[in-house]
Amino acid sequence: GALVYQYPRRTICKSGTSMRMECQAVGFQATSVAWYRQSPQKTFELIALSTVNSAIKYEQNFTQEKFPISHPNLSFSSMTVLNAYLEDRGLYLCGAREGVGNTLYFGEGSRLIVV
Amino acid sequence: QQQVRQSPQSLTVWEGETAILNCSYEDSTFNYFPWYQQFPGEGPALLISIRSVSDKKEDGRFTIFFNKREKKLSLHITDSQPGDSATYFCAANQGGRALIFGTGTTVSVSP
Repeated sequence: GALVYQYPRRTICKSGTSMRMECQAVGFQATSVAWYRQSPQKTFELIALSTVNSAIKYEQNFTQEKFPISHPNLSFSSMTVLNAYLEDRGLYLCGAREGVGNTLYFGEGSRLIVV
Repeated sequence: QQQVRQSPQSLTVWEGETAILNCSYEDSTFNYFPWYQQFPGEGPALLISIRSVSDKKEDGRFTIFFNKREKKLSLHITDSQPGDSATYFCAANQGGRALIFGTGTTVSVSP
């Protein structure tokens, strides 16, 4: 079956430092990867959609300069939160999809705590 | 503007009852509607999905009813079990676009 692993599960970082998170697809080819942030109130914010061999599309309020994403192959993606501050807290979710299908499989998320 | 809306925000049912979760959307081009189940501390897991060419999808105790004209859908959980206590998210998209999520409905099933 399709599985998505995210690492680390939880990070506590000091304000102004950065955090890198990884996403691994197992059992399928992740041609598209969507990164979301889920707030403590559980709402989802789409950060960016990355499709292999295409430009990464960032949503309004999210930039490559703040959330650089790498999607080098069909099984791996990473995202970094640069200069993290309190407003960046939340659960960062990686959703991966194979081909042109709609089904998005999520990992367990990487929780960012900023102190 | 919230493109996908859910109601109620929270819902409590007794074990064995049917829980009904509602979802509506704005974009008439949306044609794929998955529901995700999320337990505390975990990522969302795909529960059941429907495409706009269908008006009903059933998988065990979970059924989606879809009304394209009104841009509404609902998730029915029959014979609710305490293990169904979770937050349920309705989502929507079209083609290769990213999923847009609703704000979720937290379901509590009391034994």
